[in-house]
Amino acid sequence: DIQMTQSPSTLSASVGDRVTITCRASQSISRWLAWYQQKPGKAPNLLIYKASTLESGVPSRFSGSGTGTEFTLTISSLQPDDFATYYCQQYNSYSDTFGQGTKLEIK
Amino acid sequence: QLQLQESGPGLVKPSETLSLTCNVSGGSMSSNSYYWGWIRQPPGKGLEWIGSIYRSGTTFHNPSLTSRVTMSLDTSNNQFSLKLTSVTAADTAVYFCASLPHFWGQGTLITVSS
Repeated sequence: DIQMTQSPSTLSASVGDRVTITCRASQSISRWLAWYQQKPGKAPNLLIYKASTLESGVPSRFSGSGTGTEFTLTISSLQPDDFATYYCQQYNSYSDTFGQGTKLEIK
Repeated sequence: QLQLQESGPGLVKPSETLSLTCNVSGGSMSSNSYYWGWIRQPPGKGLEWIGSIYRSGTTFHNPSLTSRVTMSLDTSNNQFSLKLTSVTAADTAVYFCASLPHFWGQGTLITVSS
């Protein structure tokens, strides 16, 4: 099974900051990686798929990069609405896996 | 734009079988563009993939759950289903259905308790 290791677990930042979250796969997943934002009591909301493709309607301050085993999600300038929990998900194999999540908190 | 909606019992007794259905609207389940999945999230914890089912009916399950999971597809009624047997308190979670990765249901809380 492919394991996904997401870091950091918690990230404290301020409005306007540039932040980066990393996801590492235990083996190559090509570019079959998605990033989600989740707020309390809500379903995850897709931000990025195929490692770097921005989902329709998602602000351009969100970007994704990477291939193989190492991936990043970058938020270029944090907005108040961005404080949430973020998850990566690999869907390369027929056995999907999620990262453990990164909680983005207000500093 | 697909819309998905989970339906289930809310409360299940320990050792019984949990049955959930996901109703899909806004698109055809027969399309090659989609595969269908179940994901759960215990209270205060992260997301756990339960399994996926493809248009062909082929299923793949989380190895930690595979002996207890059955998934099925009913394209004529635009729905797919999950059965999880021998539930315990550890199966208490919000259960989501999804057309991964793009479209998710709102989730339904399933509590396992006597």
